Amino acid sequence: GAGVSQSPRYKVAKRGQDVALRCDPISGHVSLFWYQQALGQGPEFLTYFQNEAQLDKSGLPSDRFFAERPEGSVSTLKIQRTQQEDSAVYLCASSLGGEAQQLFFGSGTQLSVL
Amino acid sequence: QKEVEQNSGPLSVPEGAIASLNCTYSDRVSQSFFWYRQYSGKSPELIMSIYSNGDKEDGRFTAQLNKASQYVSLLIRDSQPSDSATYLCAVVDSWGKLQFGAGTQVVVTP
Repeated sequence: GAGVSQSPRYKVAKRGQDVALRCDPISGHVSLFWYQQALGQGPEFLTYFQNEAQLDKSGLPSDRFFAERPEGSVSTLKIQRTQQEDSAVYLCASSLGGEAQQLFFGSGTQLSVL
Repeated sequence: QKEVEQNSGPLSVPEGAIASLNCTYSDRVSQSFFWYRQYSGKSPELIMSIYSNGDKEDGRFTAQLNKASQYVSLLIRDSQPSDSATYLCAVVDSWGKLQFGAGTQVVVTP
Protein backbone atom coordinates (compact mmCIF):
# COMPACT_ATOMS: atom_id res chain seq x y z
CA GLY A 1 0.00 0.00 0.00
CA ALA A 2 0.91 3.65 -0.20
CA GLY A 3 1.42 4.09 3.53
CA VAL A 4 1.39 2.30 6.86
CA SER A 5 -2.10 1.10 7.66
CA GLN A 6 -3.34 0.42 11.18
CA SER A 7 -6.63 -1.02 12.34
CA PRO A 8 -8.84 -0.48 14.14
CA ARG A 9 -8.56 3.29 14.33
CA TYR A 10 -10.35 3.31 17.68
CA LYS A 11 -10.85 0.50 20.16
CA VAL A 12 -12.83 0.56 23.39
CA ALA A 13 -12.28 -2.38 25.69
CA LYS A 14 -13.60 -3.32 29.08
CA ARG A 15 -10.93 -3.91 31.69
CA GLY A 16 -9.80 -7.51 31.50
CA GLN A 17 -10.57 -7.97 27.81
CA ASP A 18 -7.95 -9.03 25.29
CA VAL A 19 -7.33 -6.79 22.27
CA ALA A 20 -5.42 -7.21 19.00
CA LEU A 21 -4.07 -4.27 17.02
CA ARG A 22 -3.02 -4.71 13.42
CA CYS A 23 -0.31 -2.98 11.40
CA ASP A 24 0.24 -3.32 7.66
CA PRO A 25 3.58 -1.65 6.82
CA ILE A 26 4.69 -0.14 3.54
CA SER A 27 5.35 -2.92 1.07
CA GLY A 28 9.00 -3.95 1.06
CA HIS A 29 9.88 -2.26 4.33
CA VAL A 30 12.16 -4.47 6.35
CA SER A 31 11.80 -2.91 9.79
CA LEU A 32 8.64 -2.47 11.82
CA PHE A 33 8.31 -0.68 15.12
CA TRP A 34 5.55 -0.37 17.72
CA TYR A 35 5.30 2.70 19.94
CA GLN A 36 2.91 3.70 22.71
CA GLN A 37 1.97 7.36 23.03
CA ALA A 38 0.18 8.65 26.10
CA LEU A 39 -1.65 11.97 25.95
CA GLY A 40 0.80 14.87 25.95
CA GLN A 41 3.85 12.62 25.75
CA GLY A 42 6.20 11.53 23.02
CA PRO A 43 6.03 8.03 21.57
CA GLU A 44 7.60 5.36 23.79
CA PHE A 45 9.34 2.41 22.14
CA LEU A 46 7.68 -0.98 22.63
CA THR A 47 9.22 -3.45 20.21
CA TYR A 48 11.01 -3.82 16.88
CA PHE A 49 11.04 -6.40 14.07
CA GLN A 50 13.44 -6.88 11.23
CA ASN A 51 11.52 -9.03 8.77
CA GLU A 52 9.91 -11.74 10.92
CA ALA A 53 12.50 -11.61 13.67
CA GLN A 54 11.64 -9.69 16.83
CA LEU A 55 15.02 -8.14 17.61
CA ASP A 56 14.05 -6.00 20.58
CA LYS A 57 11.06 -6.22 22.90
CA SER A 58 12.58 -4.36 25.80
CA GLY A 59 9.89 -1.68 25.78
CA LEU A 60 6.93 -3.99 26.30
CA PRO A 61 5.53 -2.92 29.69
CA SER A 62 4.54 -6.37 30.92
CA ASP A 63 4.07 -9.97 29.86
CA ARG A 64 0.47 -9.04 28.96
CA PHE A 65 1.88 -7.43 25.80
CA PHE A 66 2.85 -9.64 22.89
CA ALA A 67 3.75 -8.79 19.30
CA GLU A 68 4.32 -10.91 16.23
CA ARG A 69 5.15 -10.54 12.54
CA PRO A 70 5.06 -14.15 11.33
CA GLU A 71 5.63 -13.58 7.61
CA GLY A 72 7.70 -10.44 7.82
CA SER A 73 4.92 -8.16 6.69
CA VAL A 74 1.75 -7.59 8.75
CA SER A 75 2.26 -7.31 12.50
CA THR A 76 -0.14 -7.74 15.38
CA LEU A 77 0.22 -6.27 18.85
CA LYS A 78 -1.83 -8.18 21.38
CA ILE A 79 -2.66 -6.98 24.87
CA GLN A 80 -4.12 -9.50 27.27
CA ARG A 81 -6.28 -8.67 30.28
CA THR A 82 -6.28 -4.95 29.47
CA GLN A 83 -5.90 -2.45 32.30
CA GLN A 84 -6.83 1.23 32.42
CA GLU A 85 -3.18 2.23 32.25
CA ASP A 86 -3.00 0.58 28.82
CA SER A 87 -5.16 3.40 27.43
CA ALA A 88 -3.02 5.22 24.85
CA VAL A 89 -2.43 5.59 21.15
CA TYR A 90 -0.48 2.68 19.71
CA LEU A 91 1.62 3.73 16.74
CA CYS A 92 3.18 1.44 14.19
CA ALA A 93 6.03 2.61 11.98
CA SER A 94 8.08 1.01 9.25
CA SER A 95 11.38 1.75 7.58
CA LEU A 96 13.00 0.49 4.41
CA GLY A 97 16.23 -0.77 5.94
CA GLY A 98 17.40 -2.16 9.23
CA GLU A 99 17.14 -0.36 12.54
CA ALA A 100 15.78 3.12 12.95
CA GLN A 101 16.24 5.10 9.79
CA GLN A 102 13.49 7.28 8.38
CA LEU A 103 10.31 5.98 9.99
CA PHE A 104 6.91 6.21 8.35
CA PHE A 105 4.09 6.13 10.88
CA GLY A 106 0.57 4.82 10.59
CA SER A 107 -2.40 6.77 11.90
CA GLY A 108 -2.37 4.81 15.13
CA THR A 109 -4.94 2.91 17.14
CA GLN A 110 -6.47 4.81 20.04
CA LEU A 111 -7.18 2.30 22.79
CA SER A 112 -9.52 3.23 25.63
CA VAL A 113 -9.88 0.77 28.48
CA LEU A 114 -12.92 1.36 30.66
CA GLN B 1 16.40 11.27 33.40
CA LYS B 2 14.87 10.70 29.99
CA GLU B 3 17.25 10.00 27.14
CA VAL B 4 15.84 12.89 25.10
CA GLU B 5 14.77 16.14 26.77
CA GLN B 6 12.71 18.97 25.30
CA ASN B 7 10.87 21.96 26.73
CA SER B 8 7.18 21.14 26.59
CA GLY B 9 6.06 24.67 25.75
CA PRO B 10 3.79 25.96 24.51
CA LEU B 11 6.11 28.15 22.50
CA SER B 12 4.13 31.11 21.21
CA VAL B 13 5.55 32.65 18.03
CA PRO B 14 4.16 35.59 16.04
CA GLU B 15 3.44 34.86 12.40
CA GLY B 16 6.53 35.59 10.30
CA ALA B 17 8.95 35.23 13.22
CA ILE B 18 11.55 32.52 13.88
CA ALA B 19 10.64 29.61 16.14
CA SER B 20 13.60 28.06 17.96
CA LEU B 21 13.27 24.58 19.47
CA ASN B 22 15.91 22.86 21.58
CA CYS B 23 16.65 19.26 22.45
CA THR B 24 19.33 17.56 24.53
CA TYR B 25 20.17 13.86 24.63
CA SER B 26 22.08 11.66 27.03
CA ASP B 27 23.61 8.91 24.85
CA ARG B 28 27.04 10.10 23.69
CA VAL B 29 27.17 7.31 21.08
CA SER B 30 24.11 8.58 19.20
CA GLN B 31 24.81 9.40 15.55
CA SER B 32 21.37 9.95 14.00
CA PHE B 33 18.96 12.72 14.90
CA PHE B 34 15.51 13.59 13.63
CA TRP B 35 12.76 16.15 14.02
CA TYR B 36 9.17 15.01 13.60
CA ARG B 37 6.08 17.21 13.43
CA GLN B 38 2.84 15.96 14.95
CA TYR B 39 -0.46 17.74 14.44
CA SER B 40 -3.11 17.19 17.11
CA GLY B 41 -4.72 13.78 16.67
CA LYS B 42 -2.36 12.81 13.86
CA SER B 43 0.73 10.65 13.64
CA PRO B 44 4.30 12.01 13.57
CA GLU B 45 5.81 12.93 10.21
CA LEU B 46 9.51 13.38 9.54
CA ILE B 47 10.58 16.91 8.66
CA MET B 48 14.35 16.87 9.17
CA SER B 49 17.22 14.46 9.72
CA ILE B 50 20.78 15.39 10.67
CA TYR B 51 23.85 13.24 11.18
CA SER B 52 26.85 15.60 11.22
CA ASN B 53 27.80 18.55 13.38
CA GLY B 54 26.71 21.90 12.02
CA ASP B 55 23.65 23.19 10.24
CA LYS B 56 21.34 21.57 7.71
CA GLU B 57 18.77 23.66 5.89
CA ASP B 58 15.62 22.50 4.10
CA GLY B 59 13.26 25.25 3.02
CA ARG B 60 12.16 27.21 6.07
CA PHE B 61 13.63 24.61 8.45
CA THR B 62 17.20 24.50 9.77
CA ALA B 63 18.46 21.73 12.04
CA GLN B 64 21.60 22.30 14.09
CA LEU B 65 23.68 19.58 15.74
CA ASN B 66 26.44 19.83 18.33
CA LYS B 67 27.54 16.35 19.39
CA ALA B 68 30.08 17.63 21.91
CA SER B 69 27.30 19.41 23.77
CA GLN B 70 24.77 16.65 23.01
CA TYR B 71 22.43 19.27 21.67
CA VAL B 72 20.22 19.44 18.61
CA SER B 73 17.92 22.30 17.63
CA LEU B 74 15.36 23.22 15.01
CA LEU B 75 14.70 26.68 13.63
CA ILE B 76 11.53 27.49 11.73
CA ARG B 77 11.83 30.71 9.75
CA ASP B 78 8.88 32.84 8.62
CA SER B 79 6.55 30.86 10.90
CA GLN B 80 3.07 30.25 9.52
CA PRO B 81 -0.14 29.28 11.35
CA SER B 82 0.15 25.89 9.63
CA ASP B 83 3.37 25.34 11.59
CA SER B 84 1.34 25.14 14.81
CA ALA B 85 1.96 21.59 15.99
CA THR B 86 4.04 19.56 18.44
CA TYR B 87 7.64 19.04 17.36
CA LEU B 88 9.28 15.82 18.50
CA CYS B 89 13.03 15.42 18.75
CA ALA B 90 14.16 11.84 18.14
CA VAL B 91 17.56 10.21 18.61
CA VAL B 92 18.79 6.76 17.64
CA ASP B 93 20.35 5.30 20.77
CA SER B 94 23.28 2.91 21.07
CA TRP B 95 20.86 -0.04 20.78
CA GLY B 96 19.53 1.21 17.45
CA LYS B 97 16.18 2.29 18.84
CA LEU B 98 14.60 5.63 17.98
CA GLN B 99 13.94 7.43 21.26
CA PHE B 100 11.60 10.43 21.32
CA GLY B 101 11.40 13.47 23.53
CA ALA B 102 8.06 14.54 24.97
CA GLY B 103 7.70 17.21 22.30
CA THR B 104 7.48 21.00 22.20
CA GLN B 105 4.13 22.52 21.33
CA VAL B 106 4.43 25.48 18.97
CA VAL B 107 1.61 27.97 18.54
CA VAL B 108 1.94 30.50 15.73
CA THR B 109 -0.25 33.53 16.36
CA PRO B 110 -1.54 35.67 13.45
